[in-house]
Amino acid sequence: EVVLTQSPGTLSLSPGERATLSCRASQSVGTNQLAWYQQKPGQAPRLLIYDASSRTTAFPDRFRGSGSGTDFTLTVDRLEPEDFALYYCQQYAATPITFGQGTRLEIK
Amino acid sequence: QVQLVESGGGVVQPGRSLRLSCAASGVTLSFYAVHWVRQAPGKGLEWVAVISYDGSERYYADSVKGRFTISRDKSGNTVYLQMNGLRVGDTATYHCARDWGVRRTMFYFDDWGQGTLVTVSS
Repeated sequence: EVVLTQSPGTLSLSPGERATLSCRASQSVGTNQLAWYQQKPGQAPRLLIYDASSRTTAFPDRFRGSGSGTDFTLTVDRLEPEDFALYYCQQYAATPITFGQGTRLEIK
Repeated sequence: QVQLVESGGGVVQPGRSLRLSCAASGVTLSFYAVHWVRQAPGKGLEWVAVISYDGSERYYADSVKGRFTISRDKSGNTVYLQMNGLRVGDTATYHCARDWGVRRTMFYFDDWGQGTLVTVSS
C-alpha cells in the first residue's frame, strides 16, 4: 500500500503568515492523484484540494496545492483564524486508499 | 444543501455484528459511489470500503476484508455497512462520504456525514 508521510506533525504560526505542509508518498501516486482535506474539532473533514492542485470552491485562493510524483505541498497564504485546523493528504492512485497521519496547524 | 447522515452505531461486544446506514438529503445518492471512512478516537482517517454508484463494484481495506460488507438498497439512496466479527480495533467513528464523481468512482470524497460511533468492548 502507498504510505503517506506528512510533515511537520504540528505547525505553529501566527495569523497573516504562510503555512507550508508537506505530504510524501512511498511510491508515485500516478497522475497526481492526491487530495487534501481540512478537519476542525468535532467536524467531518472537508475536501480542499484534488488532483494535487485543483481547489474546491469552498476554499479561497489562499490555499494552493502543488507537487507531483511522490512529493506534494499544501500552501496557505496569509493565514486567517479559521484556517487553524488539521490537514490530511490522501492518495487515490491505488487501493487501498490511504491517508497521511495529518498535520495540525495551530495558532502560535 | 447536501447532508449525509449515518446511523446504527453503538456499543457491541467483540465478535458481534452491527449494521450501519447512510442516507442523504439534498443529493441523489444513487448517482454516486459511496465510501465508509473511519476515525479511531484521537487518531487519523482510515478508508474502509467503497461501493460504486450502481453497486457493481466494491472494494475493501485489508483490515476489514472478509468481515465487513458494503451494499446499497434497491433505490441506491441508502448505503449500508454490515460489520461482522467486530474487534476492539474496529472502535471508531464511521463516516460515510460521497465520491466526487458522477456515475464514476474517483476515490476522493466530496460530502461527508458527521459519523456514527462504534465501540467494541467486552
